[in-house]
Amino acid sequence: DTEVTQTPKHLVMGMTNKKSLKCEQHMGHRAMYWYKQKAKKPPELMFVYSYEKLSINESVPSRFSPECPNSSLLNLHLHALQPEDSALYLCASSQDSRWYGYTFGSGTRLTVV
Amino acid sequence: GIQVEQSPPDLILQEGANSTLRCNFSDSVNNLQWFHQNPWGQLINLFYIPSGTKQNGRLSATTVATERYSLLYISSSQTTDSGVYFCAVRETSGSRLTFGEGTQLTVNP
Repeated sequence: DTEVTQTPKHLVMGMTNKKSLKCEQHMGHRAMYWYKQKAKKPPELMFVYSYEKLSINESVPSRFSPECPNSSLLNLHLHALQPEDSALYLCASSQDSRWYGYTFGSGTRLTVV
Repeated sequence: GIQVEQSPPDLILQEGANSTLRCNFSDSVNNLQWFHQNPWGQLINLFYIPSGTKQNGRLSATTVATERYSLLYISSSQTTDSGVYFCAVRETSGSRLTFGEGTQLTVNP
């Protein structure tokens, strides 16, 4: 298995809702990442997990809450989002955070209404 | 942080033409990847190439790490090559993969 799987592919949520994005990989990678991508812009790093511990938080608002329950799974919990948070959310993994290439999932397209 | 510049920002080709995309970066890197993002948003890894030359079918890439640039060659372009091509790098001292602004490629039939 050489894939990163993200669910759901599309999500529409209200500003008072709580939802979660899920990311899974079975490649034995020990680093996992969340990126946010707005239209016509490059992906921007949000969080880095290395060996299941949060190692980088790029000053992301607390309405985004990451979680890494085990080495194969990464979640992003969403609460009280704003319309400007609408974007493509991409998950990636790599063998570790200092070396090796990244594999990206197909993303979750989030719309906040 | 490291700066990544891609050129050209936009490129329009006729099917069958060849093209070269460039990526310049401002510091030493231990990871350089070229990605193709399709219209549905999927980022597809084309090459992991922190140095040297690689080829995969009609695509090839060269990174000259000492001169801090990388080139992506697309030969005999097809309409399915359309999309955004991103160069992304990780500086040797860091653990962040930083993307350039991308090249928007349109291949017309």
